[in-house]
Amino acid sequence: EAGVTQFPSHSVIEKGQTVTLRCDPISGHDNLYWYRRVMGKEIKFLLHFVKESKQDESGMPNNRFLAERTGGTYSTLKVQPAELEDSGVYFCASSSRMNTEAFFGQGTRLTVV
Amino acid sequence: AQSVTQLDSHVSVSEGTPVLLRCNYSSSYSPSLFWYVQHPNKGLQLLLKYTSAATLVKGINGFEAEFKKSETSFHLTKPSAHMSDAAEYFCVVIFTGGGNKLTFGTGTQLKVEL
Repeated sequence: EAGVTQFPSHSVIEKGQTVTLRCDPISGHDNLYWYRRVMGKEIKFLLHFVKESKQDESGMPNNRFLAERTGGTYSTLKVQPAELEDSGVYFCASSSRMNTEAFFGQGTRLTVV
Repeated sequence: AQSVTQLDSHVSVSEGTPVLLRCNYSSSYSPSLFWYVQHPNKGLQLLLKYTSAATLVKGINGFEAEFKKSETSFHLTKPSAHMSDAAEYFCVVIFTGGGNKLTFGTGTQLKVEL
C-alpha cells in the first residue's frame, strides 16, 4: 500500500513568488491534514479536510495560504505571495474515518529567500 | 489550557542503556496520546498510541509508554538503546473536543553513543 506522498520534497523560492505544495493521501482516507514546522519551533496544525470539505482551518496563519482538496483525493497548499517567515517543513497526514492514527508524508521543505 | 510538554529537548545515552523521554500534558479530560519518531530525512512514524485501554502501551522497536493519569504523564521508555534509535521523538496529543487535530510537543532529540 502506498503511503502519503508529498511533492516537491524541497522548494526554494524568492520572497513574493508563489509556491504550491501537493499531498496525495493514502487511498480511501477521508481525513487529510496539513501541519507546519517552522525552524526551531514545534509542529503546528494548519487545517483538516474531511473528503473535500474543510473541517477545521483554525491553524492557517493568514490569507496568503490557500488549501484545496478537489474531489476529496489529493490536496494542494498554495502560498501566495510567499514571505520569509513561511520557510519551514510542511507535513501532510491522512487517516481513515474510523481511526485516529495519522500517517505522515516525508514533508516538503520550503525555503523563502 | 490544554498543552503538551516534552521536558527535555536533547537526551544522550550510551548504546545498551535505558532510554527515558518525558512527556506531560495538561487537560481536564483523558486525551488520546501518541509518540511519533522522525529519523533524518524521513517522515513521521507512529511508535505507539494510548486510547484508554491498557495504561502500559507497547510500540514498535521495543519502545513502550505508560499513561499515568494522576501525574498527567506519558513517558516513553526502552530498556536498551540501539544506535538506530537516534532520531527526534514527538509526544502528540488529541485533546477531547479537538476533533482529530494533533497537538505536538516540541520534540526530543535522542543521541545514542557507542
